Amino acid sequence: DADVTQTPRNRITKTGKRIMLECSQTKGHDRMYWYRQDPGLGLQLIYYSFDVKDINKGEISDGYSVSRQAQAKFSLSLESAIPNQTALYFCATSEAGATTGELFFGEGSRLTVL
Amino acid sequence: AQSVTQLDSQVPVFEEAPVELRCNYSSSVSVYLFWYVQYPNQGLQLLLKYLSGSTLVKGINGFEAEFNKSQTSFHLRKPSVHISDTAEYFCAVTSSGGGADGLTFGKGTHLIIQP
Repeated sequence: DADVTQTPRNRITKTGKRIMLECSQTKGHDRMYWYRQDPGLGLQLIYYSFDVKDINKGEISDGYSVSRQAQAKFSLSLESAIPNQTALYFCATSEAGATTGELFFGEGSRLTVL
Repeated sequence: AQSVTQLDSQVPVFEEAPVELRCNYSSSVSVYLFWYVQYPNQGLQLLLKYLSGSTLVKGINGFEAEFNKSQTSFHLRKPSVHISDTAEYFCAVTSSGGGADGLTFGKGTHLIIQP
């Protein structure tokens, strides 16, 4: 089983719908991240969390919200999806106290907004 | 804040030929540098990382990278590529304080291996 699991892996939805992408991890890491990948743009940070009570905005947080339900779970929500939120979304984790900053990624959730 | 520039969006190369994927970074502080690989329909996995010490870093699958502080570069190389190396490659940077606020990624280089 994967250490970082994302659900759903693929989702097609319509403009205006509310969407939640879920991430769970078995690595025991405190830090969790949501990134968005668009072709030719690389990965951009949406939100990150150091623990259940510590949530931080990344560089492109507008239109998104997150919830850290437990150390192992970090969800990304699109309250009212729009077509330019069509992208591949990645959850990642890293170990608190680690000095490297290395991230461990899930396999991605592909979202299409029509 | 840091930034990363991957100079080539696409690099075609013949099988068994050498390849270099270029990465330059910008930062006002000391950095840690990473190369990640993304195979089709998969997540990102770490190829190699530079934290300190020797500027030549060896990674998985025969890849290596050299940190050049004066040129602010961290180019990725492989002496002989295989069809299975076809993938998207991302260079990433964080401050050497540990990068708690995540990695900053380049836009990626698509390595295309031609038979």
